[in-house]
Amino acid sequence: ETGVTQSPTHLIKTRGQQVTLRCSSQSGHNTVSWYQQALGQGPQFIFQYYREEENGRGNFPPRFSGLQFPNYSSELNVNALELDDSALYLCASQLELNTEAFFGQGTRLTVV
Amino acid sequence: AQSVTQLGSHVSVSEGALVLLRCNYSSSVPPYLFWYVQYPNQGLQLLLKYTSAATLVKGINGFEAEFKKSETSFHLTKPSAHMSDAAEYFCAVRTMDSNYQLIWGAGTKLIIKP
Repeated sequence: ETGVTQSPTHLIKTRGQQVTLRCSSQSGHNTVSWYQQALGQGPQFIFQYYREEENGRGNFPPRFSGLQFPNYSSELNVNALELDDSALYLCASQLELNTEAFFGQGTRLTVV
Repeated sequence: AQSVTQLGSHVSVSEGALVLLRCNYSSSVPPYLFWYVQYPNQGLQLLLKYTSAATLVKGINGFEAEFKKSETSFHLTKPSAHMSDAAEYFCAVRTMDSNYQLIWGAGTKLIIKP
């Protein structure tokens, strides 16, 4: 049990739609990172938020956006969904930038 | 740029046999290295980490890994496999830029034969 909760656990959306995924971090954790894990691959870094500000971004287009809230929750928003967005989305929370990352169980997004 | 290579997308061992999962990294600076385990339909759980202290790192569930700078390797081992070890294992290196993100290998699926 990592204390990091993601919702929903599974989601099916249609191509072109928009989706919001949610993550509840451990209390006091100032850092949250989001990763995309396609089937059979390792996770890929999407972006990171530190104290509610974006603190780094991977090679993902602007239609991937996020927010971090003062209550240690965060969101990943994806606009104009494409079939290739089908993946497991993982959030990881950290007390600070260089401390251990605790992962949620992930949200499995299927785009049809 | 930092990178991680895991040799073998699938590794199959008999119950009770030695487990060896291979990880090689590329890094221009002293790396922080991690092994994570992922059970089906679950998130990632930290097994162990190397943070430039002892080169032999012991983790949970009887796993350990040895950092070998000369070979740029961080292989994961367990002396005796158990059926419950069946899972996917990921090696990762942490960047030293402003966000300390994790760069991941593609993963190795460990299969345990009874």
